[in-house]
Amino acid sequence: AAGVIQSPRHLIKEKRETATLKCYPIPRHDTVYWYQQGPGQDPQFLISFYEKMQSDKGSIPDRFSAQQFSDYHSELNMSSLELGDSALYFCASSPLAGGRQFFGPGTRLTVL
Amino acid sequence: QKEVEQDPGPLSVPEGAIVSLNCTYSNSAFQYFMWYRQYSRKGPELLMYTYSSGNKEDGRFTAQVDKSSKYISLFIRDSQPSDSATYLCAIFTGGFKTIFGAGTRLFVKA
Repeated sequence: AAGVIQSPRHLIKEKRETATLKCYPIPRHDTVYWYQQGPGQDPQFLISFYEKMQSDKGSIPDRFSAQQFSDYHSELNMSSLELGDSALYFCASSPLAGGRQFFGPGTRLTVL
Repeated sequence: QKEVEQDPGPLSVPEGAIVSLNCTYSNSAFQYFMWYRQYSRKGPELLMYTYSSGNKEDGRFTAQVDKSSKYISLFIRDSQPSDSATYLCAIFTGGFKTIFGAGTRLFVKA
């Protein structure tokens, strides 16, 4: 069965640089979620999109932005990167805007 | 008070033991409950999904919801070393938001 695809899997950036993370949801899933997970922490919700519109917002810094495109893939744009942004970033998708979320393998971002 | 509380462990058990993982939650309106398993450096994998009170069984896994106590549990029978992972409870609160517990680290010793 198709799963959530994230790219890149690993990313190394320097402070103050910009990063773009991509997420391709499971086909026919119309809701996409972004999470940030630091070492030893549970996933922290950043933002979600339903039918290409922002549906909910969590603890996403103003330096970050995201969007969902017409093909339902989503991108998380991170600017002015800080050391504390180093984390695993997960994308999840769900059908029918709720409930079961299926997670991608994550992008490991390291900011040096 | 956090909306979802979960003991982070670690929990260490011998192979073959029955494992009990638990979470409590604060809002009696919550209705959709999930358990995820996360191996190190991997994405969370949905294990169980339950709605309302009662038990749901899938192989060696049983999810239990007690809405009167606002308590959810995951039982693993005949635990295996391959079950060693972090288990996260999660509650879909409605709208587009899911709240995760802190995760319990489980070690199953051969």
